[in-house]
Amino acid sequence: GENVEQHPSTLSVQEGDSAVIKCTYSDSASNYFPWYKQELGKRPQLIIDIRSNVGEKKDQRIAVTLNKTAKHFSLHITETQPEDSAVYFCAAPQDGTGNQFYFGTGTSLTVIP
Amino acid sequence: NAGVTQTPKFQVLKTGQSMTLQCAQDMNHEYMSWYRQDPGMGLRLIHYSVGAGITDQGEVPNGYNVSRSTTEDFPLRLLSAAPSQTSVYFCASSYLYEQFFGPGTRLTVL
Repeated sequence: GENVEQHPSTLSVQEGDSAVIKCTYSDSASNYFPWYKQELGKRPQLIIDIRSNVGEKKDQRIAVTLNKTAKHFSLHITETQPEDSAVYFCAAPQDGTGNQFYFGTGTSLTVIP
Repeated sequence: NAGVTQTPKFQVLKTGQSMTLQCAQDMNHEYMSWYRQDPGMGLRLIHYSVGAGITDQGEVPNGYNVSRSTTEDFPLRLLSAAPSQTSVYFCASSYLYEQFFGPGTRLTVL
């Protein structure tokens, strides 16, 4: 089965700086990697995802990169803002259907104004 | 569309009590899941269903039962609550890999 490790567990950055969160996975057959953002007391929400046939995907200030050889993928947030403060989770598929996932343990990001 | 709904939002139980956490979705998704979220542990899969009448165990199924009689509903039953089941529970439905989470139920077992 899949094993997902996420680092760091906490991250503090100054407003305007960049933040990078990294996840590693174990199953070379995994083919879809989402990132979720969870604000305090709220539900996780998908912010960006990447499939194994591409190496990078961008959506405004957020990007995800995938290195299939090394089996890791990273979330990059540029020009961070206080509203980016949240817990971020990576995930990888538990099985080939892509409907059940193993989640990382989360990164608590604090953006300091 | 209401999306994924869960009731109750908060619940306090005594050790040994049983209860059912309700989950419903109106998006006609075949796949539904239950996760628990504990500090520092991320989201862990309890049970999942690939369609009405079909359920299977996830990573941490002990102490929980599920059933799926309709596409819309996926209740989670705690058979005999234990303090170790104190957690936040999220139900999710999924379509084309994207998970849609409910608002969660915060459960405390005393």
